[in-house]
Amino acid sequence: DADVTQTPRNRITKTGKRIMLECSQTKGHDRMYWYRQDPGLGLRLIYYSFDVKDINKGEISDGYSVSRQAQAKFSLSLESAIPNQTALYFCATSGYPSTGELFFGEGSRLTVL
Amino acid sequence: KQEVTQIPAALSVPEGENLVLNCSFTDSAIYNLQWFRQDPGKGLTSLLLIQSSQREQTSGRLNASLDKSSGRSTLYIAASQPGDSATYLCAVRPGYGNKLVFGAGTILRVKS
Repeated sequence: DADVTQTPRNRITKTGKRIMLECSQTKGHDRMYWYRQDPGLGLRLIYYSFDVKDINKGEISDGYSVSRQAQAKFSLSLESAIPNQTALYFCATSGYPSTGELFFGEGSRLTVL
Repeated sequence: KQEVTQIPAALSVPEGENLVLNCSFTDSAIYNLQWFRQDPGKGLTSLLLIQSSQREQTSGRLNASLDKSSGRSTLYIAASQPGDSATYLCAVRPGYGNKLVFGAGTILRVKS
């Protein structure tokens, strides 16, 4: 089983719908992150959390919200999806203290029509 | 603001060739630099992590170097194989606890 698991792996939805992407990890890491990947733009950070009571905005947090339900779970929500949120979304974890190495899930491909 | 650039954007080489992928960053004050591999439709797999105090890291046929003063890192792949075909991403951590800043990646194709 993967150390970082994302669900769903693929989702097609319509404009205006609420979508939740879920991430769970078995690495025992405190730090969790949500990134989105767009062709030619690399990965951009949406939100990150250093522990259950800590939530921080990344560089592109508008239109997104997150919830850190437990150390092992970090979910990303799109309250009202729009077509330019069509992207590949990745969850990642890192430990503390640590080398700072990130471990990624396999991604959730979201298409907003 | 830290920016990361990867050159070339795409590379196609015959099997067996040694190759170098380049990564440059604008601010030399980094905590570490990480190279990832991404296969189509898959997540990112960490290949090598270089701390700011290190000059290089090696894993099998891969060698990554870091020159902070010039803002550059290279990923050297020896004796390339078709299975090395993937997108290679470089990411810089500006400081401990800070987020990673990613380059856009180099798409590598190794032809058999």
